[in-house]
Amino acid sequence: QQQVKQSPQSLIVQKGGISIINCAYENTAFDYFPWYQQFPGKGPALLIAIRPDVSEKKEGRFTISFNKSAKQFSLHIMDSQPGDSATYFCAANQAGTALIFGKGTTLSVSS
Amino acid sequence: GAVVSQHPSWVICKSGTSVKIECRSLDFQATTMFWYRQFPKQSLMLMATSNEGSKATYEQGVEKDKFLINHASLTLSTLTVTSAHPEDSSFYICSARDYRVSYEQYFGPGTRLTVT
Repeated sequence: QQQVKQSPQSLIVQKGGISIINCAYENTAFDYFPWYQQFPGKGPALLIAIRPDVSEKKEGRFTISFNKSAKQFSLHIMDSQPGDSATYFCAANQAGTALIFGKGTTLSVSS
Repeated sequence: GAVVSQHPSWVICKSGTSVKIECRSLDFQATTMFWYRQFPKQSLMLMATSNEGSKATYEQGVEKDKFLINHASLTLSTLTVTSAHPEDSSFYICSARDYRVSYEQYFGPGTRLTVT
């Protein structure tokens, strides 16, 4: 019930392409779904987050799509750049509680 | 705004010694802080939830006597790894919740602990 399943484990995308990472959750009480970007040796940084009252949120090149009935959400990175090469984590929680993280996706953007 | 710092950023200690890691919210008050551990190429695993002025809540499998957590003020939480062993070597990351914003959590830069 507390798991957040993330796929794929790794992803290679050409520069300018679209990177898509998917997550699924089971706990219907979750009401906050953030995505974090992490570079080696650094703490995770919040990229974008969504609440279940909307189906999509866009910030610059990053878009979250949210499907409440399927209990799935995904991150789309448009026009992927080599600087986007990092590990991406989806997470979920209820307000005020600890975030439950997916296992992470290592993204490599080739130039 | 919403900056969380950790100190030290990296530490090497000998087996059997204790190490204290500080987590500070620099520009907001954090009623709740969370401590995570991350092994190489793995995800963040929650160790404990720390509420200001009360005892920390530990996740199953985390030894509370080994990982001592203190949250004495609204801007500072500390994690002390007691009697450290090589298997405690890991990346320790804290996050802090701004009590004015229910959902956002801000992560520190992490502390790399190596036990020799």
